[in-house]
Amino acid sequence: GAVVSQHPSRVICKSGTSVKIECRSLDFQATTMFWYRQFPKQSLMLMATSNEGSKATYEQGVEKDKFLINHASLTLSTLTVTSAHPEDSSFYICSALEGGGGTATQYFGPGTRLTVL
Amino acid sequence: SQQGEEDPQALSIQEGENATMNCSYKTSINNLQWYRQNSGRGLVHLILIRSNEREKHSGRLRVTLDTSKKSSSLLITASRAADTASYFCATARNSGNTPLVFGKGTRLSVIA
Repeated sequence: GAVVSQHPSRVICKSGTSVKIECRSLDFQATTMFWYRQFPKQSLMLMATSNEGSKATYEQGVEKDKFLINHASLTLSTLTVTSAHPEDSSFYICSALEGGGGTATQYFGPGTRLTVL
Repeated sequence: SQQGEEDPQALSIQEGENATMNCSYKTSINNLQWYRQNSGRGLVHLILIRSNEREKHSGRLRVTLDTSKKSSSLLITASRAADTASYFCATARNSGNTPLVFGKGTRLSVIA
């Protein structure tokens, strides 16, 4: 099946710094990617939809100025957590959509664990 | 928005027993999928069932879907300690290019 990678897999940063997370579709092109956040012992919550060549669509309650998303190519979307704070510590998971319409399949990356000190 | 609800939230069984997890959702769907997640790890796709299907099997997994009740169940037969994980259902709505919406998950513990 299709493969989606994330980099880094784990990052620790100081409060106030910015962290960039990459999501790549390795063997297919994805005009649409999704970013999820998962707090400990909770489910995945959709943060935003990343569209190649256009602005991301954010879910209610997600600050677009804090979580910057750039989908500059058909195989790469980046999520930048700006001025990170301890409450941003979480597991961030991306997914990429292969195909379209009713047969589109969503492939997930392995996740990035962010710890903000 | 989060729409799925799994029950139970936590389940503890002995190795060899069967485990049943249920999922309910609110809107019409194109398909429903089940995922497994080991602690601190990524998602593992288990099975997909389409809205026009009622039951599907994959190895020791059996999934049912009742669209009239907007519910699904995942049965793991002859459980093993390695099945210990969190299990999530996720739904895809009718239109294309929409993200999966995840349920809250069931934490399964299989005791050897």
